[in-house]
Amino acid sequence: KAGVTQTPRYLIKTRGQQVTLSCSPISGHRSVSWYQQTPGQGLQFLFEYFSETQRNKGNFPGRFSGRQFSNSRSEMNVSTLELGDSALYLCASSSGLGQDIQYFGAGTRLSVL
Amino acid sequence: GENVEQHPSTLSVQEGDSAVIKCTYSDSASNYFPWYKQELGKGPQLIIDIRSNVGEKKDQRIAVTLNKTAKHFSLHITETQPEDSAVYFCAARDTGFQKLVFGTGTRLLVSP
Repeated sequence: KAGVTQTPRYLIKTRGQQVTLSCSPISGHRSVSWYQQTPGQGLQFLFEYFSETQRNKGNFPGRFSGRQFSNSRSEMNVSTLELGDSALYLCASSSGLGQDIQYFGAGTRLSVL
Repeated sequence: GENVEQHPSTLSVQEGDSAVIKCTYSDSASNYFPWYKQELGKGPQLIIDIRSNVGEKKDQRIAVTLNKTAKHFSLHITETQPEDSAVYFCAARDTGFQKLVFGTGTRLLVSP
């Protein structure tokens, strides 16, 4: 069974640009959560999607958004990039909403110059 | 909301020694506590978890204990091996928002 797949693995952008990251959950999993990981702040919850609806949101500005498709694949978008958005963005999937066990992908490393 | 504190931030042990990482949480209603291991260049991998209706859980060399009264839980690794070297994160499920809140991580270094 394939794990959580995140693409691309690495991205370099400049300030002011926007970026879209993709996540394919484990087959059969319907819930996708996104996290930002930085050395200073650790793992911070961004949002969770289930059945194409955002169910939960962390304390991030509106520049961070996401969506989920009918096949459970998810994308997150960051607009007007800032230097502080440089981080590892992790996607985690679980079998359903509120299901405890989450499986993480390898992440997308975003560098903003 | 939930807040999770984790100690120590770094831990160095000799191969064969035991390692203990401790976490405290703030929300007494939290009921799920996973531990993740993150190796360089990889995403966090679930290694063990515990729910609030049990006090201890073991899986080979790894064990987790939970003290609900004191609101703390610990990861115990026995007979450590160099391949145990990684960053370990504890987490608690925020019952209000149903999301995982992570500790700040412990970098474990096991020297041969």
